[in-house]
Amino acid sequence: SAVISQKPSRDICQRGTSLTIQCQVDSQVTMMFWYRQQPGQSLTLIATANQGSEATYESGFVIDKFPISRPNLTFSTLTVSNMSPEDSSIYLCSVRHSSYGYTFGSGTRLTVV
Amino acid sequence: DAKTTQPTSMDCAEGRAANLPCNHSTISGNEYVYWYRQIHSQGPQYIIHGLKNNETNEMASLIITEDRKSSTLILPHATLRDTAVYYCIVRVPISNFGNEKLTFGTGTRLTIIP
Repeated sequence: SAVISQKPSRDICQRGTSLTIQCQVDSQVTMMFWYRQQPGQSLTLIATANQGSEATYESGFVIDKFPISRPNLTFSTLTVSNMSPEDSSIYLCSVRHSSYGYTFGSGTRLTVV
Repeated sequence: DAKTTQPTSMDCAEGRAANLPCNHSTISGNEYVYWYRQIHSQGPQYIIHGLKNNETNEMASLIITEDRKSSTLILPHATLRDTAVYYCIVRVPISNFGNEKLTFGTGTRLTIIP
């Protein structure tokens, strides 16, 4: 399976600012995913990011709020823009590393004050 | 997207088998069922997956009904370290890429009782 390094592990940010979360994988993967987990809730898919193409966003998520970069097969970033307290969540990166295997990072715990 | 429903919470005595049910009545013929678990403050951990046959690995067994509308995850000898939220997930296609994504349900909070 793949090993994911996600940074930062946690952050406290002021409302109105932006935070960029990095996801580094130890092997080349085609598909990368970004999820949000609000306090006490399940995981919700934000978008799918394939290298060389625009990210595909799920209903309720837009590129202006959550811009994603995917410059190569081992790296992706998610930016949470113009943050408000409602954006306080855990943000997780996931990769598909084989036909059936999906691995998740340990997440970024974001608190917006 | 296929939707899964699971009990909100369950308890199981340490050393006994934990049986976690999941309903996925709208699943399509080519959609896989996955199980992950999440221990507090960690990312989800893969347990097992299957399409229509029963599956077993070193962690658990997965029993899928013949009509594929429900499944059961079995942890044969639960330990305290198995206390976690268990997610039953259906892998659904992403039409524009020809690939698939994992869509999480609400999960079952399993507590192992000493």
